Amino acid sequence: DSGVTQTPKHLITATGQRVTLRCSPRSGDLSVYWYQQSLDQGLQFLIQYYNGEERAKGNILERFSAQQFPDLHSELNLSSLELGDSALYFCASSVVDRGPLFFGPGTRLTVT
Amino acid sequence: GQQVMQIPQYQHVQEGEDFTTYCNSSTTLSNIQWYKQRPGGHPVFLIQLVKSGEVKKQKRLTFQFGEAKKNSSLHITATQTTDVGTYFCAGQAGTYKYIFGTGTRLKVLA
Repeated sequence: DSGVTQTPKHLITATGQRVTLRCSPRSGDLSVYWYQQSLDQGLQFLIQYYNGEERAKGNILERFSAQQFPDLHSELNLSSLELGDSALYFCASSVVDRGPLFFGPGTRLTVT
Repeated sequence: GQQVMQIPQYQHVQEGEDFTTYCNSSTTLSNIQWYKQRPGGHPVFLIQLVKSGEVKKQKRLTFQFGEAKKNSSLHITATQTTDVGTYFCAGQAGTYKYIFGTGTRLKVLA
């Protein structure tokens, strides 16, 4: 158990819908990262927050957005969902910007 | 943009054989990390390398960071069935984000 929690574990929704994925970092960690992992693929970096501020952006689609709240939990919003958005979405946290990333168990999103 | 490639993509070995995966970055890295992801699991941090030419060992695992800080390797001696999984490197190149390599999936045959 890494100490990072993600909800929900599984999500099944239809194309065109909007969903919100939630992440609570480890106690004391200020940095939150979001990654997308499609079936048997690598980890694609989406976005990073540090203490509420956006730090870095990857190839995140305009249909996707995220934020980190004052209590440091983070949410990833995915809208106008397409079949290709089906993937495992991981959240990771770290104490500062450099150092080990601790991953949550992931949210498996299936778009039908 | 920054890219991190790993080879091989897949590796099947007999239990007891050695295994090596290589990681190459298109840009100079400030540090590199290695992670292991078991089937159905999440990536788990193994180690971080920071210095040019650095070598670190964890039991049967040996990690190396290249002199130019653009490549790295992970070597496992005498593989065991518990080593099964996908090994990822992740490089940080001055900015905050960690870019993960394409991963090497290791299968160990008993």
